[in-house]
Amino acid sequence: DVKVTQSSRYLVKRTGEKVFLECVQDMDHENMFWYRQDPGLGLRLIYFSYDVKMKEKGDIPEGYSVSREKKERFSLILESASTNQTSMYLCATGTPGGWADQETQYFGPGTRLLVL
Amino acid sequence: SQKIEQNSEALNIQEGKTATLTCNYTNYSPAYLQWYRQDPGRGPVFLLLIRENEKEKRKERLKVTFDTTLKQSLFHITASQPADSATYLCALKGGFKTIFGAGTRLFVKA
Repeated sequence: DVKVTQSSRYLVKRTGEKVFLECVQDMDHENMFWYRQDPGLGLRLIYFSYDVKMKEKGDIPEGYSVSREKKERFSLILESASTNQTSMYLCATGTPGGWADQETQYFGPGTRLLVL
Repeated sequence: SQKIEQNSEALNIQEGKTATLTCNYTNYSPAYLQWYRQDPGRGPVFLLLIRENEKEKRKERLKVTFDTTLKQSLFHITASQPADSATYLCALKGGFKTIFGAGTRLFVKA
């Protein structure tokens, strides 16, 4: 079974703090993703990565950066946390997927971040 | 613009009945569509994938249909149980990204 772990289940931070969220997977998947999930808005893609040291912006990258130094690890960084970044953050992995290939995503348990 | 829509209202049904959830999309031509289950405070879990050339897919008590003309997928849970209570998300491939619907909350009452 694929295992995706996230460094924290709950986090409380102050406005302006730098926040690191870490995701680790054990299945040697090339693709890794960071989403945030807010009520009524569903999952929104922040950043994704197709390989080590590669990163691509998703739909809402502003205020975030990512790092992928090793294949199994994908970190999301909030450079200066703001209250509108209070959300549930979900990491996911998936096997390579071209246009018609399967890309089932495997999610971590999520990190609920509160920025005060 | 591209959209994927699920009924935002919760669906309440009685145990033993069939639950039917709807996913509609516009301005996509996905090669496949997926359904995920999400429990409160957890990440989504993959359930089923149906390709554009498949009309119907089944897995135990789950059935998914995919109508590319109507741009709609229906997700059915037969003989529903209280343990089926969760939020169900549909997802499709839009370019190189997977696009998720906001999900429909299902409550199955005993």
